[in-house]
Amino acid sequence: ETGVTQTPRHLVMGMTNKKSLKCEQHLGHNAMYWYKQSAKKPLELMFVYNFKEQTENNSVPSRFSPECPNSSHLFLHLHTLQPEDSALYLCASSQELHNEQFFGPGTRLTVL
Amino acid sequence: GQNIDQPTEMTATEGAIVQINCTYQTSGFNGLFWYQQHAGEAPTFLSYNVLDGLEEKGRFSSFLSRSKGYSYLLLKELQMKDSASYLCAVRDRDYQLIWGAGTKLIIKP
Repeated sequence: ETGVTQTPRHLVMGMTNKKSLKCEQHLGHNAMYWYKQSAKKPLELMFVYNFKEQTENNSVPSRFSPECPNSSHLFLHLHTLQPEDSALYLCASSQELHNEQFFGPGTRLTVL
Repeated sequence: GQNIDQPTEMTATEGAIVQINCTYQTSGFNGLFWYQQHAGEAPTFLSYNVLDGLEEKGRFSSFLSRSKGYSYLLLKELQMKDSASYLCAVRDRDYQLIWGAGTKLIIKP
């Protein structure tokens, strides 16, 4: 257990569905991150929040919409996704921005 | 562009030693991380190097040469549970983390 939880662990959705991924950290960290992990590719940083404020959006399509209501919770809202969006979505947190990160177990997303 | 290179896959024998290399070309350097990721699980932090030299932590050691843009992770007395992917990540001058694709390590009895 890393202190970072993610739900759901697995998600299958159609291209017209709307769903949300949830992340919660119990470590008192100030920064939170969303990553996409595809097979045999480097981790792709999607969004970064520091003290609830979004600091980075790495050219992510608008069909992915993050939300950070407080320093402990992070959501990723999904709508009209494409099959190529199927991947493992990892949430992470760190005490300070871009320091040692603690990862959640990820949500395995399949888009049909 | 910024780039991290690691071997895609390595195989080693239980009880042996293995060295996983990582070379990087980044805009500046503010530290290098190694993470371990077992299949279907979250990456977990292993080590951090910011100065040249060897950092030892039990069976695992990590080495850094900033002038060569090179690091390695050394695993001794390999155990079956060490079968995992090992991710190298470099923090550039803007403190952005650049990730390698990971090295899948297979341990055989």
